Amino acid sequence: AQSVTQLDSHVSVSEGTPVLLRCNYSSSYSPSLFWYVQHPNKGLQLLLKYTSAATLVKGINGFEAEFKKSETSFHLTKPSAHMSDAAEYFCVDGSGGSNYKLTFGKGTLLTVNP
Amino acid sequence: GAGVSQSPSNKVTEKGKDVELRCDPISGHTALYWYRQSLGQGLEFLIYFQGNSAPDKSGLPSDRFSAERTGGSVSTLTIQRTQQEDSAVYLCASSPPGLTDTQYFGPGTRLTVL
Repeated sequence: AQSVTQLDSHVSVSEGTPVLLRCNYSSSYSPSLFWYVQHPNKGLQLLLKYTSAATLVKGINGFEAEFKKSETSFHLTKPSAHMSDAAEYFCVDGSGGSNYKLTFGKGTLLTVNP
Repeated sequence: GAGVSQSPSNKVTEKGKDVELRCDPISGHTALYWYRQSLGQGLEFLIYFQGNSAPDKSGLPSDRFSAERTGGSVSTLTIQRTQQEDSAVYLCASSPPGLTDTQYFGPGTRLTVL
């Protein structure tokens, strides 16, 4: 069975500095990976999706993620953090045999300091 | 366009009471999912509906939980004889035809069982 490990439960950055949120996957299938963001008291919003077309995936709000098969990683990055980026981020694996049963990481809480 | 909507946004109930949570998927989406998000457990898949097919109920934690989807659209998640451990945020998601790994989430219903 696939699993997703988010290596940091909490990341704190200053506004204007780079963001790195780390995720490792262990799917035995060809992976289908996502990053979702959840702002306080809001639903989950899809940031980006990897489907093997390109290893570098660009998402909304300036975020991107790079799929590295050799490292089984799918880290999320942004060159310059904005205050509005403060939220919880989930790395998700959708590559189980059923295709629809998403496996969520535990989440990384991103704090952005002024 | 309108996203996935859920009602109520908050529900407080007493232990032993039954509750019903409602989800309105995005118009035209054929797949609908329920997830539970609780502290310490992260996000757990509960149930999946796809058109007129039999639902995948494999994630329901006990027989106190049930869900229906009427007319291929609105869904209701029912929890009977609620317990304190049922306290969580219940999230609904839907997908367009042919894209079950791309799920659009509602804002959730926060259930508190006293």
